[in-house]
Amino acid sequence: RKEVEQDPGPFNVPEGATVAFNCTYSNSASQSFFWYRQDCRKEPKLLMSVYSSGNEDGRFTAQLNRASQYISLLIRDSKLSDSATYLCVVNTGDDKIIFGKGTRLHILP
Amino acid sequence: DVKVTQSSRYLVKRTGEKVFLECVQDMDHENMFWYRQDPGLGLRLIYFSYDVKMKEKGDIPEGYSVSREKKERFSLILESASTNQTSMYLCASSLLDLQETQYFGPGTRLLVL
Repeated sequence: RKEVEQDPGPFNVPEGATVAFNCTYSNSASQSFFWYRQDCRKEPKLLMSVYSSGNEDGRFTAQLNRASQYISLLIRDSKLSDSATYLCVVNTGDDKIIFGKGTRLHILP
Repeated sequence: DVKVTQSSRYLVKRTGEKVFLECVQDMDHENMFWYRQDPGLGLRLIYFSYDVKMKEKGDIPEGYSVSREKKERFSLILESASTNQTSMYLCASSLLDLQETQYFGPGTRLLVL
């Protein structure tokens, strides 16, 4: 099993729809989790941290499922500006930070 | 606002040349990182540093070295550039705890001919 795995997509979703994608991780001792967003030809930027209790920021909801070892990102009422690549990041706890390869999202008008 | 800057956005070098990529952060962060990003391979860690003059190898350190003489500056050196080092290079910084957010520079797109 790869250390951090994401569906590469692309997810093609009509504007206004809800979309969700997951990221699985292999190290059960992993301590912290993040979602980053990367626009085309730009650097990654933090979208949100993922807490054990889950967290929500406007239209975005992140959840952690430790039992099944995955994190999820849900985007409601998607906008054209949400089109980007979403990177899952896992801190495995042994001073190792692993980036997933990203999931590409295209919001269609 | 955290600012991470990189010395060049685009760079073209010839095989065998020595290449210096500079990264500067203005938030007094302890940790600094160098990644390369390639299509289909994602972000891969080359080296990181958690303090001045300290460095740790990442997943793909071969063919690279780094220097951190000052806290705000982390340099990536390609001793003898090769065509397989053509890539996007991204620098990042974070506070001491590795669970903290990483802030990225805009990247340097390096082409080695």
